[in-house]
Amino acid sequence: NAGVTQTPKFQVLKTGQSMTLQCAQDMNHEYMSWYRQDPGMGLRLIHYSVGAGITDQGEVPNGYNVSRSTTEDFPLRLLSAAPSQTSVYFCASRIVPGGQPQHFGDGTRLSIL
Amino acid sequence: GQQLNQSPQSMFIQEGEDVSMNCTSSSIFNTWLWYKQDPGEGPVLLIALYKAGELTSNGRLTAQFGITRKDSFLNISASIPSDVGIYFCAGLISNFGNEKLTFGTGTRLTIIP
Repeated sequence: NAGVTQTPKFQVLKTGQSMTLQCAQDMNHEYMSWYRQDPGMGLRLIHYSVGAGITDQGEVPNGYNVSRSTTEDFPLRLLSAAPSQTSVYFCASRIVPGGQPQHFGDGTRLSIL
Repeated sequence: GQQLNQSPQSMFIQEGEDVSMNCTSSSIFNTWLWYKQDPGEGPVLLIALYKAGELTSNGRLTAQFGITRKDSFLNISASIPSDVGIYFCAGLISNFGNEKLTFGTGTRLTIIP
């Protein structure tokens, strides 16, 4: 019962480096999303996808790119990391938009120096 | 972006005590969700509420969807050590396939020995 799997769990980057955070789900969920969690801010939506080939921006999309080539995978890319992107990143999925509540991965803790 | 007003921010209680926390918003929601997050893990869904006025229980947890659709509360009865963690409310508004899930800033629950 893998659910939502995120890799890596921890990562340290230097300013300006690029990186891809991986997210995979094995529940055949159409809807996937990325959140960042910062102290005192709750979770904020970065990007989301309602199905393969379809993505859209969330509340805080700047500095991040996503793609959805398969139903299972939804990677998040940082093209040029900045210290302001230091955060914990969570991927989530559910069957359909507005459907059953989301399943979250265990998160990726990212530090940008 | 909008954040839900969740209170209290933190609670320090003794084992066996009851706990109450709530979320309020200036906007209405179609769905209210309550999550618990343990250190190093993603949020896990506790209770989902789909109708105004709905009162739902999950073991020692009880949550209600406010009549105005702008608030919700979560009660935990007879707290135990494993209740320690951060509790998040989340409000979902969905219209014609578009949706927005907004998270509260969390309530950190600590149990004093």
